[in-house]
Amino acid sequence: ETGVTQSPTHLIKTRGQQVTLRCSSQSGHNTVSWYQQALGQGPQFIFQYYREEENGRGNFPPRFSGLQFPNYSSELNVNALELDDSALYLCASSLVGGIGFNEQFFGPGTRLTVL
Amino acid sequence: AQSVTQPDIHITVSEGASLELRCNYSYGATPYLFWYVQSPGQGLQLLLKYFSGDTLVQGIKGFEAEFKRSQSSFNLRKPSVHWSDAAEYFCAVGAGVSGGYNKLIFGAGTRLAVHP
Repeated sequence: ETGVTQSPTHLIKTRGQQVTLRCSSQSGHNTVSWYQQALGQGPQFIFQYYREEENGRGNFPPRFSGLQFPNYSSELNVNALELDDSALYLCASSLVGGIGFNEQFFGPGTRLTVL
Repeated sequence: AQSVTQPDIHITVSEGASLELRCNYSYGATPYLFWYVQSPGQGLQLLLKYFSGDTLVQGIKGFEAEFKRSQSSFNLRKPSVHWSDAAEYFCAVGAGVSGGYNKLIFGAGTRLAVHP
């Protein structure tokens, strides 16, 4: 069973640029969630994708957007980068369809630094 | 509003000592509760979870947690800490709708240091 993978591991961008982060979900999972973890804080929910559509969103501006592909992998895109976007971005996959909460499995994260 | 509070930002214990990390939650319905551990530069590893049933749950690495509804708490415990337990620990509550959109709401974390 393959776990959740993310790429790249680290990324450095400058303010105003755009960035794309990638996530491959765990085998058999159909849902991907993205979280932002700023330094010294807990992860914050950005959004979730299910059946290639955004299925729920946290308190993040529209310049944070995403995609989910037919193989359930996902991308997180951030436009017009700001210094405060510097963080660890975590992807989590889950299998939607059961009763109760769908447990989420996390990848190792992508560390984004905005200069 | 749904929230998770971890009152202790930093905790230092001696190797072999017992450990308790505190977690309080605010959630209207029956909560789904989790403890995760994060080593420096790493993602999140699930230690244990509570969905229903026995309020004392056992996890990996010798950790356990007790759900107390009357206190809205889900404290993490370990009887004897090892140096390798030094990490950041996050408590989280699962929020959402069965079969649909759901998310984890995390506390700010507790950083654990272990003295030899």
